[in-house]
Amino acid sequence: DVKVTQSSRYLVKRTGEKVFLECVQDMDHENMFWYRQDPGLGLRLIYFSYDVKMKEKGDIPEGYSVSREKKERFSLILESASTNQTSMYLCASSLRTETNEKLFFGSGTQLSVL
Amino acid sequence: GENVEQHPSTLSVQEGDSAVIKCTYSDSASNYFPWYKQELGKRPQLIIDIRSNVGEKKDQRIAVTLNKTAKHFSLHITETQPEDSAVYFCAASMRPGGFKTIFGAGTRLFVKA
Repeated sequence: DVKVTQSSRYLVKRTGEKVFLECVQDMDHENMFWYRQDPGLGLRLIYFSYDVKMKEKGDIPEGYSVSREKKERFSLILESASTNQTSMYLCASSLRTETNEKLFFGSGTQLSVL
Repeated sequence: GENVEQHPSTLSVQEGDSAVIKCTYSDSASNYFPWYKQELGKRPQLIIDIRSNVGEKKDQRIAVTLNKTAKHFSLHITETQPEDSAVYFCAASMRPGGFKTIFGAGTRLFVKA
């Protein structure tokens, strides 16, 4: 089965720190995504990438950037963490085909910014 | 852009009863509608999906219906069991050409034994 691995399950950071969230998938998927999950707001798309070095803004990209230097790895960067970025962050991947749209999610990283 | 609204936010049913979760979408170009289930502390997982050329799809105790004219789609769970307790998310996206999957806010389903 597809494995999507997020490097940390829990992170605690200080306001203003630079934060890196890492995601690795092992099934050669072209598409990778970063969502944040907040109660009552569902899953909101931050950024996605459909190829190495390619990135597209999602619905809430402000305060975030991403990096995709290798096909299997997609990093989310908080340049200067703020308390309103405390959230659960979910990485996902999928194949880029006409018919296969299933998203495979990682276990999530619960980030607390103090 | 696409917007997906989901109702209700919380649903409590007795074991054996049916549960229905409803979603509406805004972009008539959306043509793929997946449903994900997230159990407590776990990752979301796809449970069923439907494409815009189909009105209904069934998989054992779960079914999804789509009304393209009204831009509504619904998840139906029959004979609910305690293990159905979870958060359910509907979503919408466009295929081919788009990679964005937009999710609803989620429905927390409680199945009481």
